[in-house]
Amino acid sequence: EADIYQTPRYLVIGTGKKITLECSQTMGHDKMYWYQQDPGMELHLIHYSYGVNSTEKGDLSSESTVSRIRTEHFPLTLESARPSHTSQYLCASSDFSGSKHTQYFGPGTRLTVL
Amino acid sequence: GDSVTQMEGPVTLSEEAFLTINCTYTATGYPSLFWYVQYPGEGLQLLLKATKADDKGSNKGFEATYRKETTSFHLEKGSVQVSDSAVYFCALLSTGGFKTIFGAGTRLFVKA
Repeated sequence: EADIYQTPRYLVIGTGKKITLECSQTMGHDKMYWYQQDPGMELHLIHYSYGVNSTEKGDLSSESTVSRIRTEHFPLTLESARPSHTSQYLCASSDFSGSKHTQYFGPGTRLTVL
Repeated sequence: GDSVTQMEGPVTLSEEAFLTINCTYTATGYPSLFWYVQYPGEGLQLLLKATKADDKGSNKGFEATYRKETTSFHLEKGSVQVSDSAVYFCALLSTGGFKTIFGAGTRLFVKA
């Protein structure tokens, strides 16, 4: 079973608030990812990281930002939330070794912006 | 660029029916292929994978064979259960790549 955690699981906030979605993994994986999952289920990569101090934008443009100060921690921040940010956010991690880049996912954060 | 196409859902089956979810891919070189499953209220988890042509991945009664000649990786199960109701994602990782490409997902409903 994967050891990757996301908090909070559910969040309802008002427009304009700053929020941080937490993601932590205890597997020592170098690579971490954030996906946005729309109601149609499709996954969109919004950020990823190769390791500490590395962050890259994904395929879907996002107003969120990420940081990677520690290997195990990859938080996502929205400076000013809007209703268009309402979605499910999934964090994942993988390593470069013999597991052939299997991704391990957290349970997700369901964000609702009113 | 690389891409994955999987059959649209939802797929609705009765318990003990045979399941096939089609998946085809476009990629250069020799990608690794994956099936992930997402149960309600959870994140995705790896179901099975295959890393080279003709490999068969299998887990929990599900199986898929890496067919390079048809660029396919169809998911099959001989007898589905209600507990198999979930969303299934086909995915690939390009040779030397660092990003996994996911299909759009196929929702499966199994009726008792």
